[in-house]
Formats: sequence, C-alpha cells, structure tokens
Amino acid sequence: GAVVSQHPSWVICKSGTSVKIECRSLDFQATTMFWYRQFPKQSLMLMATSNEGSKATYEQGVEKDKFLINHASLTLSTLTVTSAHPEDSSFYICSAQTGVEQFFGPGTRLTVL
Amino acid sequence: AQSVSQHNHHVILSEAASLELGCNYSYGGTVNLFWYVQYPGQHLQLLLKYFSGDPLVKGIKGFEAEFIKSKFSFNLRKPSVQWSDTAEYFCAVRYYNTDKLIFGTGTRLQVFP
Repeated sequence: GAVVSQHPSWVICKSGTSVKIECRSLDFQATTMFWYRQFPKQSLMLMATSNEGSKATYEQGVEKDKFLINHASLTLSTLTVTSAHPEDSSFYICSAQTGVEQFFGPGTRLTVL
Repeated sequence: AQSVSQHNHHVILSEAASLELGCNYSYGGTVNLFWYVQYPGQHLQLLLKYFSGDPLVKGIKGFEAEFIKSKFSFNLRKPSVQWSDTAEYFCAVRYYNTDKLIFGTGTRLQVFP
C-alpha cells in the first residue's frame, strides 16, 4: 500500500518549452501533496505544498508563475515547469501525505537543453 | 530558523562494521522525526520514524534510531552493515506547527564487501 507514482520518469525538452509532471497516489487519497527538487548529491528542497481544491503554497524563492501546481483531485497533482531553462534541469520528486506520513514518488529527471 | 543537520556527508565501511549516522535539528518545540533511505536509482523509502513514546525506535532492515531530546538529536544506528545498505540516508524533521518535512543534507554510505 501507499504507492506514489510519477510520470514521466525522465524528460528532455528544449529551452522555452513547458513540461508537465504528474504525481498520483495509487491506493490512497491524499489531501496534501508536496513537490521537492533535488540537485545532484544534495538534499530535497521543498518547493511547494499542494492541497486538493486550493492554491498551492510556495516556499520562499520559488517562482509560482514558473512552477505551476494543480491539485485537481485527491489522487493527482501536477507540476508544470513553464518556459523551462537549462537551470531548471533537476530531479523533481513529489510526495503524498496520508495521516502524518509522506510517501514519495520515484522522481522525474528533467533535462532542459 | 528550522533546520536539520547531518554531520557525516560520506561514510565508507566494510561489511559487518557498525554504523552510526548523526542527525541534529534546531529547537522548535515538539517534533516528528524520520530517517529515509534512497537506494541508487530508487525513490525515498521510510526506514523508521519517531512520534512519541520510547525514544529508541526500531525500523526496517535492522536499523534503529535514538531520540535524545536534550541534544536535539536522532542518530541512526545499525550494528552490522551489509553491502546492500549502500545508499543515501536522509534525516527529516516535521515540526508540529507545520506539515512540511525539513530534510538534512544526506549521508552517502558505501559498504564494501
């Protein structure tokens, strides 16, 4: 139980394009999902907290117009990287919360050329 | 500011050696404490967690951790490591006034046969 999936697992795109990443809780409902960014050999940095049916709460320094988050249902949250640039290349990880515990997705490797 | 520090960035051990990874958090009241493991190419998995009660908690795969409130520490231990324990280990803290997990910088463990 408590499985979280992400799609795609990796994506390569050209600079200036937008990329959408999906995060799904497969066997439970999650009122809260989180989006993290992980740089090579570094820790997870929380980008935003996503609550179903409401606007996401972004961490300081994260551009909400660049990283659009939609939490349309209790099992799906999406992160759209708009007008991607090479510096947005990173590993993006989502988690879904049930109770007080977070379960993590496998991550999405984004490479912007 | 709320923060988590992991003192060991890279640990190299031989099989059967004992392991202790340090984790300290900044004071901020009541906390939930977690240790996650990230095996190469895989997603974050929960090793163990502390919410309340016995400060010595046991997790999966023979890991344990001790919460020492006076030292704001939650060190991870394993009496005898295996090659399969090679992974990245993250300590995380959730303060009671927030849903967010704050991660330490991670410790890379390499175990040689």
